[in-house]
Amino acid sequence: KQEVTQIPAALSVPEGENLVLNCSFTDSAIYNLQWFRQDPGKGLTSLLLIQSSQREQTSGRLNASLDKSSGRSTLYIAASQPGDSATYLCAVKHGSEKLVFGKGTKLTVNP
Amino acid sequence: NAGVMQNPRHLVRRRGQEARLRCSPMKGHSHVYWYRQLPEEGLKFMVYLQKENIIDESGMPKERFSAEFPKEGPSILRIQQVVRGDSAAYFCASSPPQGAEYFGPGTRLTVT
Repeated sequence: KQEVTQIPAALSVPEGENLVLNCSFTDSAIYNLQWFRQDPGKGLTSLLLIQSSQREQTSGRLNASLDKSSGRSTLYIAASQPGDSATYLCAVKHGSEKLVFGKGTKLTVNP
Repeated sequence: NAGVMQNPRHLVRRRGQEARLRCSPMKGHSHVYWYRQLPEEGLKFMVYLQKENIIDESGMPKERFSAEFPKEGPSILRIQQVVRGDSAAYFCASSPPQGAEYFGPGTRLTVT
Protein backbone atom coordinates (compact mmCIF):
# COMPACT_ATOMS: atom_id res chain seq x y z
CA LYS A 1 0.00 0.00 0.00
CA GLN A 2 1.42 3.37 -1.04
CA GLU A 3 2.03 5.81 1.81
CA VAL A 4 3.21 9.40 1.47
CA THR A 5 4.87 11.26 4.32
CA GLN A 6 5.69 14.96 4.46
CA ILE A 7 8.20 16.49 6.82
CA PRO A 8 8.01 18.87 8.56
CA ALA A 9 4.29 19.13 9.37
CA ALA A 10 4.70 22.86 9.94
CA LEU A 11 7.40 25.40 9.17
CA SER A 12 7.75 29.06 10.05
CA VAL A 13 10.44 31.18 8.38
CA PRO A 14 11.28 34.86 7.96
CA GLU A 15 10.66 36.52 4.64
CA GLY A 16 13.46 36.11 2.11
CA GLU A 17 14.66 32.74 3.32
CA ASN A 18 15.19 29.80 0.99
CA LEU A 19 13.47 26.65 2.20
CA VAL A 20 13.01 22.96 1.41
CA LEU A 21 9.95 20.82 1.94
CA ASN A 22 10.33 17.06 1.98
CA CYS A 23 8.13 14.26 0.70
CA SER A 24 8.75 10.51 0.84
CA PHE A 25 6.76 7.61 -0.56
CA THR A 26 6.98 3.89 0.13
CA ASP A 27 6.38 2.38 -3.32
CA SER A 28 8.63 3.63 -6.12
CA ALA A 29 6.28 2.33 -8.85
CA ILE A 30 4.71 5.72 -9.51
CA TYR A 31 3.55 7.39 -12.73
CA ASN A 32 4.21 10.92 -11.54
CA LEU A 33 4.44 13.18 -8.52
CA GLN A 34 2.63 16.48 -8.05
CA TRP A 35 3.11 19.32 -5.62
CA PHE A 36 0.04 21.35 -4.73
CA ARG A 37 -0.68 24.43 -2.70
CA GLN A 38 -3.83 24.76 -0.57
CA ASP A 39 -4.92 28.00 1.04
CA PRO A 40 -7.24 27.82 4.08
CA GLY A 41 -10.79 26.93 3.07
CA LYS A 42 -9.82 26.77 -0.59
CA GLY A 43 -9.16 24.20 -3.27
CA LEU A 44 -5.82 22.88 -4.50
CA THR A 45 -3.57 24.67 -6.95
CA SER A 46 -1.19 22.48 -8.93
CA LEU A 47 2.38 23.84 -8.67
CA LEU A 48 4.61 21.29 -10.36
CA LEU A 49 4.24 17.87 -11.97
CA ILE A 50 7.22 15.54 -12.33
CA GLN A 51 6.83 12.50 -14.52
CA SER A 52 8.46 9.29 -13.27
CA SER A 53 11.17 9.54 -15.95
CA GLN A 54 12.12 13.10 -14.93
CA ARG A 55 14.45 14.30 -12.18
CA GLU A 56 13.18 17.83 -11.61
CA GLN A 57 10.86 20.60 -12.68
CA THR A 58 11.11 24.35 -12.21
CA SER A 59 8.55 27.12 -12.20
CA GLY A 60 9.62 30.60 -11.16
CA ARG A 61 10.93 30.45 -7.59
CA LEU A 62 9.91 26.82 -7.20
CA ASN A 63 12.00 23.78 -7.98
CA ALA A 64 10.90 20.20 -7.36
CA SER A 65 13.16 17.18 -7.55
CA LEU A 66 12.34 13.50 -7.71
CA ASP A 67 14.50 10.53 -6.73
CA LYS A 68 12.25 7.61 -7.52
CA SER A 69 14.67 4.91 -6.41
CA SER A 70 14.89 6.31 -2.90
CA GLY A 71 11.25 7.34 -2.80
CA ARG A 72 11.89 11.03 -2.18
CA SER A 73 10.95 14.41 -3.54
CA THR A 74 11.83 17.90 -2.39
CA LEU A 75 10.18 21.23 -3.10
CA TYR A 76 12.61 24.14 -2.97
CA ILE A 77 11.20 27.65 -2.57
CA ALA A 78 13.64 30.49 -3.18
CA ALA A 79 13.39 33.91 -1.57
CA SER A 80 10.18 33.15 0.29
CA GLN A 81 7.43 35.77 0.55
CA PRO A 82 4.46 36.16 2.93
CA GLY A 83 2.19 35.28 0.01
CA ASP A 84 3.79 31.83 -0.04
CA SER A 85 2.11 31.03 3.28
CA ALA A 86 -0.14 28.02 2.69
CA THR A 87 -0.23 24.25 3.10
CA TYR A 88 1.89 22.40 0.55
CA LEU A 89 0.76 18.93 -0.44
CA CYS A 90 2.74 16.22 -2.16
CA ALA A 91 0.88 13.50 -4.06
CA VAL A 92 1.97 10.51 -6.14
CA LYS A 93 -0.01 8.93 -8.91
CA HIS A 94 0.12 5.23 -8.20
CA GLY A 95 -1.83 2.26 -9.42
CA SER A 96 -5.08 2.91 -11.27
CA GLU A 97 -4.35 6.60 -11.80
CA LYS A 98 -5.43 7.75 -8.35
CA LEU A 99 -3.42 10.26 -6.34
CA VAL A 100 -2.14 9.34 -2.88
CA PHE A 101 -1.57 12.44 -0.76
CA GLY A 102 0.65 13.30 2.15
CA LYS A 103 -0.84 15.28 5.04
CA GLY A 104 0.98 18.41 3.98
CA THR A 105 3.44 20.95 5.34
CA LYS A 106 1.89 24.13 6.69
CA LEU A 107 4.22 27.00 5.77
CA THR A 108 4.16 30.43 7.40
CA VAL A 109 6.40 33.15 5.99
CA ASN A 110 6.70 36.05 8.42
CA PRO A 111 7.18 39.59 7.10
CA ASN B 1 -10.54 27.48 -20.75
CA ALA B 2 -12.57 27.37 -17.57
CA GLY B 3 -11.19 25.31 -14.73
CA VAL B 4 -12.91 22.48 -12.91
CA MET B 5 -16.30 23.65 -11.68
CA GLN B 6 -18.01 22.35 -8.59
CA ASN B 7 -21.37 23.23 -7.14
CA PRO B 8 -22.64 23.98 -4.71
CA ARG B 9 -19.64 25.43 -2.88
CA HIS B 10 -21.34 25.00 0.47
CA LEU B 11 -24.09 22.53 1.32
CA VAL B 12 -25.91 22.06 4.60
CA ARG B 13 -27.99 18.95 5.14
CA ARG B 14 -29.79 17.49 8.13
CA ARG B 15 -29.05 13.94 9.18
CA GLY B 16 -30.92 11.50 6.95
CA GLN B 17 -31.19 13.80 3.93
CA GLU B 18 -29.48 13.28 0.58
CA ALA B 19 -26.52 15.32 -0.67
CA ARG B 20 -25.78 15.72 -4.39
CA LEU B 21 -22.45 17.22 -5.38
CA ARG B 22 -21.74 18.21 -8.97
CA CYS B 23 -18.48 18.47 -10.90
CA SER B 24 -17.84 19.71 -14.42
CA PRO B 25 -14.34 18.76 -15.63
CA MET B 26 -12.06 20.98 -17.63
CA LYS B 27 -12.75 21.02 -21.34
CA GLY B 28 -10.99 18.11 -23.04
CA HIS B 29 -10.48 16.12 -19.83
CA SER B 30 -11.97 12.65 -19.89
CA HIS B 31 -10.98 11.52 -16.36
CA VAL B 32 -12.75 12.62 -13.20
CA TYR B 33 -11.73 11.89 -9.63
CA TRP B 34 -13.43 12.56 -6.30
CA TYR B 35 -11.48 13.08 -3.07
CA ARG B 36 -12.62 13.77 0.47
CA GLN B 37 -10.81 15.91 3.03
CA LEU B 38 -11.91 15.38 6.59
CA PRO B 39 -11.05 18.04 9.19
CA GLU B 40 -7.36 17.86 10.16
CA GLU B 41 -6.74 14.96 7.76
CA GLY B 42 -5.23 14.62 4.32
CA LEU B 43 -7.12 14.15 1.10
CA LYS B 44 -8.33 10.62 0.50
CA PHE B 45 -9.20 9.17 -2.88
CA MET B 46 -12.80 8.06 -3.28
CA VAL B 47 -13.55 7.21 -6.90
CA TYR B 48 -12.17 7.54 -10.44
CA LEU B 49 -14.52 7.72 -13.41
CA GLN B 50 -14.43 8.07 -17.15
CA LYS B 51 -17.49 8.83 -19.24
CA GLU B 52 -20.21 6.32 -18.30
CA ASN B 53 -17.71 4.09 -16.47
CA ILE B 54 -16.51 3.71 -12.91
CA ILE B 55 -12.86 2.71 -13.17
CA ASP B 56 -11.86 2.55 -9.50
CA GLU B 57 -14.18 2.99 -6.52
CA SER B 58 -11.88 1.43 -3.95
CA GLY B 59 -11.95 4.52 -1.73
CA MET B 60 -15.69 4.93 -1.60
CA PRO B 61 -17.72 3.65 1.36
CA LYS B 62 -19.76 0.62 0.33
CA GLU B 63 -23.06 2.02 1.57
CA ARG B 64 -24.85 5.32 0.97
CA PHE B 65 -22.26 6.69 -1.48
CA SER B 66 -22.49 6.52 -5.27
CA ALA B 67 -20.93 8.35 -8.20
CA GLU B 68 -21.63 8.72 -11.88
CA PHE B 69 -20.22 10.49 -14.90
CA PRO B 70 -22.89 10.36 -17.61
CA LYS B 71 -22.32 10.81 -21.32
CA GLU B 72 -23.81 14.29 -21.07
CA GLY B 73 -23.60 16.58 -18.07
CA PRO B 74 -21.52 16.80 -14.93
CA SER B 75 -20.21 14.07 -12.67
CA ILE B 76 -22.39 13.56 -9.59
CA LEU B 77 -21.37 12.32 -6.16
CA ARG B 78 -24.44 11.28 -4.21
CA ILE B 79 -24.55 10.65 -0.49
CA GLN B 80 -27.79 9.16 0.82
CA GLN B 81 -28.99 9.40 4.42
CA VAL B 82 -26.12 11.66 5.46
CA VAL B 83 -24.61 11.38 8.93
CA ARG B 84 -22.49 13.86 10.88
CA GLY B 85 -19.32 11.96 9.95
CA ASP B 86 -19.92 12.82 6.29
CA SER B 87 -19.17 16.49 7.04
CA ALA B 88 -16.06 17.25 5.01
CA ALA B 89 -14.73 19.04 1.97
CA TYR B 90 -15.30 17.06 -1.22
CA PHE B 91 -12.98 17.85 -4.10
CA CYS B 92 -13.30 16.90 -7.72
CA ALA B 93 -10.34 16.77 -10.08
CA SER B 94 -10.02 16.13 -13.79
CA SER B 95 -7.16 15.20 -16.08
CA PRO B 96 -6.30 13.93 -19.53
CA PRO B 97 -4.96 10.35 -19.53
CA GLN B 98 -1.88 10.17 -17.24
CA GLY B 99 -1.69 13.94 -17.10
CA ALA B 100 -1.71 16.39 -14.22
CA GLU B 101 -4.86 16.55 -12.14
CA TYR B 102 -6.56 19.91 -11.79
CA PHE B 103 -8.79 20.41 -8.81
CA GLY B 104 -12.02 22.27 -8.38
CA PRO B 105 -12.71 24.63 -5.46
CA GLY B 106 -14.50 21.92 -3.49
CA THR B 107 -17.91 21.50 -1.90
CA ARG B 108 -18.00 21.90 1.85
CA LEU B 109 -20.71 19.65 3.25
CA THR B 110 -22.01 20.27 6.74
CA VAL B 111 -24.41 17.78 8.29
CA THR B 112 -26.43 19.13 11.19
